Amino acid sequence: TQLLEQSPQFLSIQEGENLTVYCNSSSVFSSLQWYRQEPGEGPVLLVTVVTGGEVKKLKRLTFQFGDARKDSSLHITAAQPGDTGLYLCAGPYNTDKLIFGTGTRLQVFP
Amino acid sequence: EPEVTQTPSHQVTQMGQEVILRCVPISNHLYFYWYRQILGQKVEFLVSFYNNEISEKSEIFDDQFSVERPDGSNFTLKIRSTKLEDSAMYFCASSREPGGNEKLFFGSGTQLSVL
Repeated sequence: TQLLEQSPQFLSIQEGENLTVYCNSSSVFSSLQWYRQEPGEGPVLLVTVVTGGEVKKLKRLTFQFGDARKDSSLHITAAQPGDTGLYLCAGPYNTDKLIFGTGTRLQVFP
Repeated sequence: EPEVTQTPSHQVTQMGQEVILRCVPISNHLYFYWYRQILGQKVEFLVSFYNNEISEKSEIFDDQFSVERPDGSNFTLKIRSTKLEDSAMYFCASSREPGGNEKLFFGSGTQLSVL
């Protein structure tokens, strides 16, 4: 069974700080996705990384896919309270199935 | 942007009762999914549905669960005899292509509480 482990599980920081969230697996994935989930809502896709070593930027968020396509990271620069939420990585397992990581709950205090 | 809508947002039921959770996927999407998230745990795949049949299901999706697309717009999840451990947030999702590598659009979820 493919597993996606995220770290840290919880992160509480002050506005303006930088942070990195990690998503690791022992399995190779053809792609990885990052979602953000806010309370009472479903996950919303932020980005998909496909190529090993790929780096994608979304404003203050930088996503990287590991060279071996077994891991990914999300770096947030100058975090803001609006970044608060649950960050989930997800990868394909078989054709139809997307499996999710264990999640990182981020709280950014003003 | 088009949305996946789910009803009800909250459902409270007694153990042993049947519940039906409803979803309206995005209109031009062909692939439909149910996921669940037990409080404090990760999002878990339940089932995928394409061309009016189940294409994949997880070990969680046992005989107590069923899915149906009764008309051209709704996609339902039925739990025949609910158990306490079925309490969770249930998310419906849809996509244009198979969901492994495709962007999934999620609804806001139905919070199911089994008492």
